[in-house]
Amino acid sequence: AQSVTQPDIHITVSEGASLELRCNYSYGATPYLFWYVQSPGQGLQLLLKYFSGDTLVQGIKGFEAEFKRSQSSFNLRKPSVHWSDAAEYFCAVGRPHTGTASKLTFGTGTRLQVTL
Amino acid sequence: DTAVSQTPKYLVTQMGNDKSIKCEQNLGHDTMYWYKQDSKKFLKIMFSYNNKELIINETVPNRFSPKSPDKAHLNLHINSLELGDSAVYFCASSPLARANSGNTIYFGEGSWLTVV
Repeated sequence: AQSVTQPDIHITVSEGASLELRCNYSYGATPYLFWYVQSPGQGLQLLLKYFSGDTLVQGIKGFEAEFKRSQSSFNLRKPSVHWSDAAEYFCAVGRPHTGTASKLTFGTGTRLQVTL
Repeated sequence: DTAVSQTPKYLVTQMGNDKSIKCEQNLGHDTMYWYKQDSKKFLKIMFSYNNKELIINETVPNRFSPKSPDKAHLNLHINSLELGDSAVYFCASSPLARANSGNTIYFGEGSWLTVV
């Protein structure tokens, strides 16, 4: 069965500092990987995804993530954090279901706090 | 225009009541989902429909019954609500996967259900 681990429950960074959120997955086949962000009281917004190809993927809001098969990791990065980036970040691995749907298995989330 | 919309956004109800949450997507996707986020922010898939047909049904109590009148709508009806049903329920949708890629899943804003 697939699983996702986000080892950091809570991270605090200063505005303008760089950010890296860790994600490790366990999956028997080629993983489909996602990062979602949830602002307080809001829904889940897709930041970026990896299906195949270039292992460094660019997303919205200046985020990027790198897929490292050897480390089973898909860490999210941002070179300079803005106060509006404070939110909960979820890593997920998708398992295809007959091609018409996917089951997403989510990590437990990392709460990002940004200090001014 | 909201891509995946859910109503109501907030719902407070008493134990034993029956309630419904409605979901509509205007993305033209064939597949829709319901996910549940518990009090610890853990997200788990409940159901998935493809073109009005149930294709994923996780271990969910029979009190939860999804209904899809057409491929753009997926409603969730909950009978005999219990305290443990308090959670955020997310509707989502996805297009068909292309070759060598997975399904990208887009989430709604969530419906905050509180059972008292």
